[in-house]
Amino acid sequence: EDQVTQSPEALRLQEGESSSLNCSYTVSGLRGLFWYRQDPGKGPEFLFTLYSAGEEKEKERLKATLTKKESFLHITAPKPEDSATYLCAVLIWNTGNQFYFGTGTSLTVIP
Amino acid sequence: NAGVTQTPKFQVLKTGQSMTLQCAQDMNHNSMYWYRQDPGMGLRLIYYSASEGTTDKGEVPNGYNVSRLNKREFSLRLESAAPSQTSVYFCASRTGTPGDGYTFGSGTRLTVV
Repeated sequence: EDQVTQSPEALRLQEGESSSLNCSYTVSGLRGLFWYRQDPGKGPEFLFTLYSAGEEKEKERLKATLTKKESFLHITAPKPEDSATYLCAVLIWNTGNQFYFGTGTSLTVIP
Repeated sequence: NAGVTQTPKFQVLKTGQSMTLQCAQDMNHNSMYWYRQDPGMGLRLIYYSASEGTTDKGEVPNGYNVSRLNKREFSLRLESAAPSQTSVYFCASRTGTPGDGYTFGSGTRLTVV
């Protein structure tokens, strides 16, 4: 069965304390892995798409990487405004347009 | 630059009542989606429309119907609401190109009592 698991469920960091969020997946035929940010009371906001193992994408303090079994979202020197829930989702071949989402990591950055 | 607009933002229904959630996008996207988000369950796909004139079931379609009214609009209808349908509902759209992510609306918080 195709699965997407994110860890940890929640993470509290001091401002400037770098860390990583994990998204592990067991799917047959990965077409793409997507990262989103969701602020309270809002819809998710698209961050990155990764297609193949070894690929990396960066945006400000965020860097996403992909291996054959998992993806990491590295947060370097986070600021309080980086506090949000981070979601990953996979798109699988032969499932049409259906994405499968993880349950997210809630990140809190303390000033 | 409205993106994806959902109405209403909040709604309380009694069990057995019906309602329609409205969604419109102004980005000329081909594909539109309805998701529900529940604590600990993540986002789950209810229905989607890959292009104007087509609709398909997602992971949790029971109790819902959809209409792709035109390229811009995709509505979700609850015919007889149940407490299990209490959730936050998100509409999303995307171009259909594999690498493109969703653009989500701001959500509708629905409570069924």
